[in-house]
Amino acid sequence: DVKVTQSSRYLVKRTGEKVFLECVQDMDHENMFWYRQDPGLGLRLIYFSYDVKMKEKGDIPEGYSVSREKKERFSLILESASTNQTSMYLCASSRQGRRNYEQYFGPGTRLTVT
Amino acid sequence: KQEVTQIPAALSVPEGENLVLNCSFTDSAIYNLQWFRQDPGKGLTSLLLIQSSQREQTSGRLNASLDKSSGRSTLYIAASQPGDSATYLCAALKTGTASKLTFGTGTRLQVTL
Repeated sequence: DVKVTQSSRYLVKRTGEKVFLECVQDMDHENMFWYRQDPGLGLRLIYFSYDVKMKEKGDIPEGYSVSREKKERFSLILESASTNQTSMYLCASSRQGRRNYEQYFGPGTRLTVT
Repeated sequence: KQEVTQIPAALSVPEGENLVLNCSFTDSAIYNLQWFRQDPGKGLTSLLLIQSSQREQTSGRLNASLDKSSGRSTLYIAASQPGDSATYLCAALKTGTASKLTFGTGTRLQVTL
């Protein structure tokens, strides 16, 4: 079974803090993704990585950065957290290839910025 | 730009009913379409993936169909149970987008006793 884990289920941070969200997958997947999910807006892709040290911007990268130093781990960084970054953050992974491969999701991190 | 729409936004049915959830997409140039389930406050669970060359996929009481020419997919749930209550999301993988899915906003299903 594919397992995608996220470091925290719930997180409360203050405005201006630097925030790290960690995601680990155990299936040797090449692709990893960070999404945020907001009511009425659905899931939106923040960043995507297709290999170690490789990254690509998604639809809403502003205010975020990412790091992928090892294949199994993909980190999302909020350099200076703001209240509009309060959201549910979901990590996913998949095998390489566009046609066939499902994306598998972690349990999510509910981040509140006060 | 690909847009994915799910109607209705919410649905309530009595236990035992068969039901259909709808998903439409604006750009038919897709590699595949994936259906997910999400329980409140949780992550997404993949239910079914239909390749662009396929017409349908089945898993247990679930059957998903795909009609690329009309830009539609449906998820059929047979003999619904209270445990099926969740939000159901569809997502399309557009060609040339390097594994990036476009999600619908979901249909929230409640199956009542």
